[in-house]
Amino acid sequence: GAVVSQHPSRVICKSGTSVKIECRSLDFQATTMFWYRQFPKKSLMLMATSNEGSKATYEQGVEKDKFLINHASLTLSTLTVTSAHPEDSSFYICRGIMNTEAFFGQGTRLTVV
Amino acid sequence: GDSVTQMEGPVTLSEEAFLTINCTYTATGYPSLFWYVQYPGEGLQLLLKATKADDKGSNKGFEATYRKETTSFHLEKGSVQVSDSAVYFCALSDSGAGGTSYGKLTFGQGTILTVHP
Repeated sequence: GAVVSQHPSRVICKSGTSVKIECRSLDFQATTMFWYRQFPKKSLMLMATSNEGSKATYEQGVEKDKFLINHASLTLSTLTVTSAHPEDSSFYICRGIMNTEAFFGQGTRLTVV
Repeated sequence: GDSVTQMEGPVTLSEEAFLTINCTYTATGYPSLFWYVQYPGEGLQLLLKATKADDKGSNKGFEATYRKETTSFHLEKGSVQVSDSAVYFCALSDSGAGGTSYGKLTFGQGTILTVHP
């Protein structure tokens, strides 16, 4: 069945560095990718919606220059956390859309030290 | 705006115990309601859904009924198994998605369930 493969599953980085998270849609073409983050004991919050070949649409309060989203192809979308700080430590998860169904990645646990 | 509130976890049960995870929501219009499950190391999977009032979603022994009068969608299972240990998310989708799961989703905070033998 359709799968979204998200990597890495866990990453620890130093403050000030950038981290790239990839989501690949396997066996299907994801025309739309949603990106979420989850704080401890909080809901998954939608960060942005990206459509293949166009700029991402960010939710209110999400810094687009800090969370760079690229959806250059129908099978790959990336989220880059630039100049990461400890407050960016969180669980990030993508969700790819195929026709009228959606499939989640496994999530990435980011820890900034 | 739309919001979903789940009972706080973690929930720890013995095998064959009865499970209830409460979920209430606030929304404009007529949302569709979903329960997602996330097993360790995997992505979220759709467990069940209901698209209108009084609908009952069911799958793998889990059930939830869309209660418009109480704005609730509580998840229940009569006899849990160790393999049900996972994180469970309640979610709603705006009415524009037509009951499918591909629209924007608003999630609850998730409830960790641990089932012991």
